[in-house]
Amino acid sequence: GDSVTQMEGPVTLSEEACLTINCTYTATGYPSLFWYVQYPGEGLQLLLKATKADDKGSNKGFEATYRKETTSFHLEKGSVQVSDSAVYFCALAVYNQGGKLIFGQGTELSVKP
Amino acid sequence: NAGVMQNPRHLVRRRGQEARLRCSPMKGHSHVYWYRQLPEEGLKFMVYLQKENIIDESGMPKERFSAEFPKEGPSILRIQQVVRGDSAAYFCASSPQRGSTEAFFGQGTRLTVV
Repeated sequence: GDSVTQMEGPVTLSEEACLTINCTYTATGYPSLFWYVQYPGEGLQLLLKATKADDKGSNKGFEATYRKETTSFHLEKGSVQVSDSAVYFCALAVYNQGGKLIFGQGTELSVKP
Repeated sequence: NAGVMQNPRHLVRRRGQEARLRCSPMKGHSHVYWYRQLPEEGLKFMVYLQKENIIDESGMPKERFSAEFPKEGPSILRIQQVVRGDSAAYFCASSPQRGSTEAFFGQGTRLTVV
């Protein structure tokens, strides 16, 4: 079945360091790919998305490129801030399955000043 | 335009009681999804509903769990005879139409079974 695998956390970085969180997927159809962010005690907020191969999603300095050849959607940011501390979830949706989201297990990011 | 509203935010139930979780989708959204987040885990799909219809319940436990989305009012996730293993955060998401590329999440209901 469809699945998402992302790197385990926690990831601890110093402010202004570079961030990469790896995400790979398995899907039988043509999925759309998403990164969601969850701040402590809160729900999920969509960070960025890509709906087809080679699309690049970007928001708030974060980027991810839909790579069909490697079935990957790695999240990157060139310079993290303390306020980026949160849990990040990679997810896919296959629309012939009604648009339900399949999530990775989440990666906790902690950014120290 | 209010976002997806879930209530209560926190719910404590004793083993054997019933839990009712409510979700009001964004205005104009007629598709609702429920997800469960167990401690230290990602979110798992439970059920997908449209008004008055269950479209996909492949993620719902076979017993004690049910969901509805009536013509009027919020979507309800109902858990009967709760057990400690039901303790989790339950999130609702809504979208305006089937195949929409974005779902909007509520802040979740954190259920604790004591």
